[in-house]
Amino acid sequence: GQQVMQIPQYQHVQEGEDFTTYCNSSTTLSNIQWYKQRPGGHPVFLIQLVKSGEVKKQKRLTFQFGEAKKNSSLHITATQTTDVGTYFCAGLPGNNDMRFGAGTRLTVKP
Amino acid sequence: NAGVTQTPKFRILKIGQSMTLQCTQDMNHNYMYWYRQDPGMGLKLIYYSVGAGITDKGEVPNGYNVSRSTTEDFPLRLELAAPSQTSVYFCASSYLGLAGGSYEQYFGPGTRLTVT
Repeated sequence: GQQVMQIPQYQHVQEGEDFTTYCNSSTTLSNIQWYKQRPGGHPVFLIQLVKSGEVKKQKRLTFQFGEAKKNSSLHITATQTTDVGTYFCAGLPGNNDMRFGAGTRLTVKP
Repeated sequence: NAGVTQTPKFRILKIGQSMTLQCTQDMNHNYMYWYRQDPGMGLKLIYYSVGAGITDKGEVPNGYNVSRSTTEDFPLRLELAAPSQTSVYFCASSYLGLAGGSYEQYFGPGTRLTVT
C-alpha cells in the first residue's frame, strides 16, 4: 500500500545546532503537509507544499518538496528549546486518504 | 470559535464494551477525519468524510463505524472494544472549497482510550 516513510525516528541536538527530518513516499504526492506535535498535545499544522521543487520558509524553518513530488524535508536552523516536539509529514497521494509519516521526535539540550 | 472539540478526554473500557467518541467542529469545514495514534507512532486514518452524509474508509477502519448526519458532527463508534484499540484518538477537520484550496487540518485535543 501507499507508504510515507520518515527519518530519523529520533534526533537529539544541542541548542543552536541545526536539525533536518526527511519524508519519502512510495508514490507521487499531490501535496505534502508538515505538522508539529508537542508532548501530550495534538498535531498543529505548519505548512503545505504543492508544487514540484517548492521551497518555503517560516523564520528558522525551511521546507522543501522534491522535484518528483515523492520526498520532502524540514530543516530547522539554530534550534531552540521551543522547537522540542515531534514533526510529522503527511502526504496526499491523489485521493482523500492522507498518510502520515511516523514522525521525528526532536529533543533539544539547553 | 472553539475549533474542534472532542469528548471524552479519557476513557477506560472493558473488552467487548462499546462506546462513541464525539467530535464537533464549528468552522463550517466540509472535511472531517478520525485518526488513531499509538504510543511513539504516527497517525493512522480510520475514517473520513467529505461532507454530510458521505463517509469513507481510511487505512485502519476495522472495528470502527462512523456517521456524518450534520456538517458539525462526526462521531466514531467502537462496537466491541478490543485491547488493540487502546490508543489516542484524534478528530480533525479541514476546508476544501469547490475551487480547491488547502487541506490544512485542524485537530481536536484527542481522546485517550484504554481497553482492558
